[in-house]
Amino acid sequence: AQSVTQPDIHITVSEGASLELRCNYSYGATPYLFWYVQSPGQGLQLLLKYFSGDTLVQGIKGFEAEFKRSQSSFNLRKPSVHWSDAAEYFCAVGDPNTGTASKLTFGTGTRLQVTL
Amino acid sequence: DVKVTQSSRYLVKRTGEKVFLECVQDMDHENMFWYRQDPGLGLRLIYFSYDVKMKEKGDIPEGYSVSREKKERFSLILESASTNQTSMYLCASSPNGRAGNYGYTFGSGTRLTVV
Repeated sequence: AQSVTQPDIHITVSEGASLELRCNYSYGATPYLFWYVQSPGQGLQLLLKYFSGDTLVQGIKGFEAEFKRSQSSFNLRKPSVHWSDAAEYFCAVGDPNTGTASKLTFGTGTRLQVTL
Repeated sequence: DVKVTQSSRYLVKRTGEKVFLECVQDMDHENMFWYRQDPGLGLRLIYFSYDVKMKEKGDIPEGYSVSREKKERFSLILESASTNQTSMYLCASSPNGRAGNYGYTFGSGTRLTVV
C-alpha cells in the first residue's frame, strides 16, 4: 500500500525567505504526486501535480516541486514566501494502476507560519 | 469552475443522533469521496463512490455509511453519532478515467461536533 510522510509538522519562515516543505512517499513504482494547500476554514486547493516526464513541476501561486525517484521525495519549494502563504500543506500520492476512482493517500500535513 | 458544495459549514449534534452530511458537485464527475480530517492525522478516507449507487469502503468506514442516488450528490451518514466522530469532514470529486490525472476538487468542509 502507498503511504506518505511529511516529517515537519510545523514550519515558521520570515516573509521573503525561501521555503521547502518535505514529502516522502512509499510506493513500488512511480506514483502520481500532488501538493494541496488548505487555508484556515477552507477546503483543499490543488497547487501542483506530477505524473511523469520533467521532474520539476510548476504550480500555482509561485510554487514548484521536484520529484526525486532516488530519494522517493516530492518536496515543495517557493523562492520567496508571502504572508498569505500561511496555511497547511498536504502532500498526496495516487496509484496509477487502479483505473477509475484512484484513491489519494494524504500525508499528515505541514502547517506553515509566516512572520513579518 | 468545478464546484463541490457541502451543505453545512458547522453542525452540532447529540450523541446517538443520526446525522446526514450532504455533498453536491456540479461538474458531472463520476467519482466522489468522503474524508475526515483530524489534527496530526491528516485526511483519512471514509468511503468513496465511482458511480451512482456504487460505493466502496475507505480506510476508516466503521460507524459510517453513504448514499449515492444521483450522480451529483453523495451523502455521508452517521447512524448513531458518537463523540469520537467529532471532526472536520471533507467531500471531494474527480472525473473518471485515471482520476489521479486530475486530482480532486474539494468542498469547504463541514465541522461536526458531537456532544
